[in-house]
Amino acid sequence: EPEVTQTPSHQVTQMGQEVILRCVPISNHLYFYWYRQILGQKVEFLVSFYNNEISEKSEIFDDQFSVERPDGSNFTLKIRSTKLEDSAMYFCASNPPFTDTQYFGPGTRLTVL
Amino acid sequence: AQSVTQLDSHVSVSEGTPVLLRCNYSSSYSPSLFWYVQHPNKGLQLLLKYTSAATLVKGINGFEAEFKKSETSFHLTKPSAHMSDAAEYFCVVNGGTYKYIFGTGTRLKVLA
Repeated sequence: EPEVTQTPSHQVTQMGQEVILRCVPISNHLYFYWYRQILGQKVEFLVSFYNNEISEKSEIFDDQFSVERPDGSNFTLKIRSTKLEDSAMYFCASNPPFTDTQYFGPGTRLTVL
Repeated sequence: AQSVTQLDSHVSVSEGTPVLLRCNYSSSYSPSLFWYVQHPNKGLQLLLKYTSAATLVKGINGFEAEFKKSETSFHLTKPSAHMSDAAEYFCVVNGGTYKYIFGTGTRLKVLA
């Protein structure tokens, strides 16, 4: 069964560094998402992406964040200058056309030191 | 605006006894509601989904949930818990515009 994959599973970085989190959505899916979960808190929506542009973004998704689908298979989340409070589990998700059911990847745990 | 409230952060049951995980929602229209499960170090797996076709929804691994509009509830149940059910469970509402709104999660512990 096709799955959403994410790399790396764990990323450790220094404050102020740029990080890129990578996701490979399921191949026939058209809608892509990033969510994050700070330890002990709920999963929060960051951004949705469709047809090579952002559909919606939350107030968390400020200018430090960007998303890209560089090659038709990968979907990336870039954090330009990481802060301590960016430490969280980041989930990628996708859904096919004509359904709102999202399929999630296993997550990338980002630790900012 | 849509929201979900999971009433219990932790639930413990004995193996073989029923499971009840509670979820209440708030929505200005008829929502899509979901239950997802997250096992340790794994992604979020869809258990079941409500879309208004039937109020009682059957999911994977013997779980089911009943949509009750009058109570704005979507509780998750299973007749008999198994050790492998120990995980975190999330109630989710479709926020209506390509985003999910998650509850805070319920950690289910199954005692031998």
